[in-house]
Amino acid sequence: AQSVTQLGSHVSVSEGALVLLRCNYSSSVPPYLFWYVQYPNQGLQLLLKYTTGATLVKGINGFEAEFKKSETSFHLTKPSAHMSDAAEYFCAVSARANNNDMRFGAGTRLTVKP
Amino acid sequence: IAGITQAPTSQILAAGRRMTLRCTQDMRHNAMYWYRQDLGLGLRLIHYSNTAGTTGKGEVPDGYSVSRANTDDFPLTLASAVPSQTSVYFCASSEGTGSPLHFGNGTRLTVT
Repeated sequence: AQSVTQLGSHVSVSEGALVLLRCNYSSSVPPYLFWYVQYPNQGLQLLLKYTTGATLVKGINGFEAEFKKSETSFHLTKPSAHMSDAAEYFCAVSARANNNDMRFGAGTRLTVKP
Repeated sequence: IAGITQAPTSQILAAGRRMTLRCTQDMRHNAMYWYRQDLGLGLRLIHYSNTAGTTGKGEVPDGYSVSRANTDDFPLTLASAVPSQTSVYFCASSEGTGSPLHFGNGTRLTVT
């Protein structure tokens, strides 16, 4: 089965600073990888996904993530944080065989200071 | 607006009572899922359905049941609620393998 570890349950950055949210995965087969964002009292929304092809994936709101197979990582970055980026972020992994085994990390809460 | 509708938004339930959480999608997705979200644990899969008429168990299925009579609806039933089932429940759907999940806004359930 797949698993995901998100390093840091809470990350705080200043507005305009680099955002780096860490995700490491474990999978016995080539994975699909996702980042989701959750705003208060809402469901999760897709930020970006890696399936095949280019390892640097660009998503919405200026976020991007790089799939590094050798490091089993899929870290999420944004060059300049905005106040509206404050939310909870979840990394998820699923096996290429089916989505029924999609596993989520515990989440990282991002705080953006003015 | 296309998406997933969950009801109720929140509920306080006495232990031992039966409860059905409703989920309806209008995207005609074949696959649907129920997750529970607990602080520090992320989301854990309860049950899933790959297509109408079929269901399967996820990571934490005990105490829950589901049915999939048609493509659009995927209700989750707690036959006899216990306090450990206090959680936020999310319904989701997807087009299939490799596709991202689309989530509803969740049902916050408190079992007392």
